[in-house]
Amino acid sequence: QVQLVESGGGVVQPGKSLRLSCATSGFSFSLFGMHWVRQTPGKGLEWVAFIWNDGSNKLYGDSVKGRFTVSRDNSKKTLFLQMTSLRAEDTAVYYCVKTLTMTGGEMDVWGQGTTVTVSS
Amino acid sequence: QSALTQPASVSGSPGQSITISCTGSSSDVGGYKYVSWYQQHPGKAPKVILYDVSNRPSGVSNRFYGSKSGNTASLTIPILQAEDEADYYCSSFTSRSTWVFGGGTKLTVL
Repeated sequence: QVQLVESGGGVVQPGKSLRLSCATSGFSFSLFGMHWVRQTPGKGLEWVAFIWNDGSNKLYGDSVKGRFTVSRDNSKKTLFLQMTSLRAEDTAVYYCVKTLTMTGGEMDVWGQGTTVTVSS
Repeated sequence: QSALTQPASVSGSPGQSITISCTGSSSDVGGYKYVSWYQQHPGKAPKVILYDVSNRPSGVSNRFYGSKSGNTASLTIPILQAEDEADYYCSSFTSRSTWVFGGGTKLTVL
């Protein structure tokens, strides 16, 4: 079955960088777009980024645009999120999410998440 | 992009019907069919229960129903069960080619 396993989270100081990974299995990774979504402690969900199946196009939320970069390695079936200039408000659980269809952006299966804490 | 508006909490007794609303604008909910609903139990990842307003993914209970009127989408559970107690979120694609979520609704089964 579809599995998404995030890693790379941890505690990082403000202004520093961190790279998250999402290892996938159980589906043809190269055929599906992928999202990153985050959830702040005790608060709701916030969409972070989306990447086309072939990596040709990327979309970002306003709060991370210019600081975060989404990428993928289809040969390794892995999704990445490079986060720079981190701020306290970036503290959250970060989920990678597979799309429902090969042509759309509707969210389908979610990973279990990795926690990022930005603190001095 | 402002979050979609959901009631903070909703409650009902087993067997009762509940509806959770999700209000946006013509730039998101009202302008696209790409509205989804997610269920999240404590300590778990969200799970999609409806997509494209009213479609259920394979394996999702047929007790969840979705609809949309103007800028407001709705999730209805006609016959509430204890295991439905969870947080529910809506999301929509937007005219800026982004996605936006609602603030979430805590459903309590009395």
